[in-house]
Amino acid sequence: KQEVTQIPAALSVPEGENLVLNCSFTDSAIYNLQWFRQDPGKGLTSLLLIQSSQREQTSGRLNASLDKSSGRSTLYIAASQPGDSATYLCAVRPFNDMRFGAGTRLTVKP
Amino acid sequence: DAGVIQSPRHEVTEMGQEVTLRCKPISGHNSLFWYRQTMMRGLELLIYFNNNVPIDDSGMPEDRFSAKMPNASFSTLKIQPSEPRDSAVYFCASIPPGRSNTGELFFGEGSRLTVL
Repeated sequence: KQEVTQIPAALSVPEGENLVLNCSFTDSAIYNLQWFRQDPGKGLTSLLLIQSSQREQTSGRLNASLDKSSGRSTLYIAASQPGDSATYLCAVRPFNDMRFGAGTRLTVKP
Repeated sequence: DAGVIQSPRHEVTEMGQEVTLRCKPISGHNSLFWYRQTMMRGLELLIYFNNNVPIDDSGMPEDRFSAKMPNASFSTLKIQPSEPRDSAVYFCASIPPGRSNTGELFFGEGSRLTVL
C-alpha cells in the first residue's frame, strides 16, 4: 500500500527565506504527484502537478521536483512571504486514488 | 469559471439523523471523488466515480454511508444514521475528461459536518 510522508510536520521561517518542503512515497509506480496548499477552514488549492515522466514543474516562486526512483519530491519556495503561511500537502496517484501526506504547516513570520 | 461547488458548507446535526452532502463538479469534468479529512487520519478517499459510475467505493467506511451520481453535474454523499465519529470535513473533487489517471485534481471548499 502506498504511504506518503511529509517532513517536517511544521516549519516556521522569517520572511524572505528560501525553503524546501519534503515528500516521500513508498511505491514508485505512480501516474503523477500533485502539491496542494490548504488554508485554515478552506479547501485544497492545486499548486503544481508533475507527471511521472517529468522531473520538475515551476510556477512563479514555486518549484517542485520529482525523483520517482527514490520516491521523493521537494517543493521549493523562494523568497517566502507571510501570505505563504498555510498547510502544504503532497499527493501521489498510484491508480484511481490519490494518496495524501499529512502535510507541512508553514508559518512565515513578518 | 465556477469551481467545484459543495453544500452545505457547515452542518450540525444530532446523532441518528440523516445527513446529505451535495457536490457539483466543474462543468465537463467526468471523474468525481469524495474525500473525508480528519485530524487523526488526514485525507481519505471514500468513493470515486467515472462517467457517473462508481469505480472504487472501498473507502466507504460502512453501510451507513452511500453515494450517488445521478448525472454528470451532481453527486450526493449520504450518512444514515449519523454518529459523532462521522464528524469531519467532507471534500468533493473532480478531474477533467479523458485524464482520470493523469489529470489535475480540483477540490471544492468542503462541507464541515459536526454530529453531536
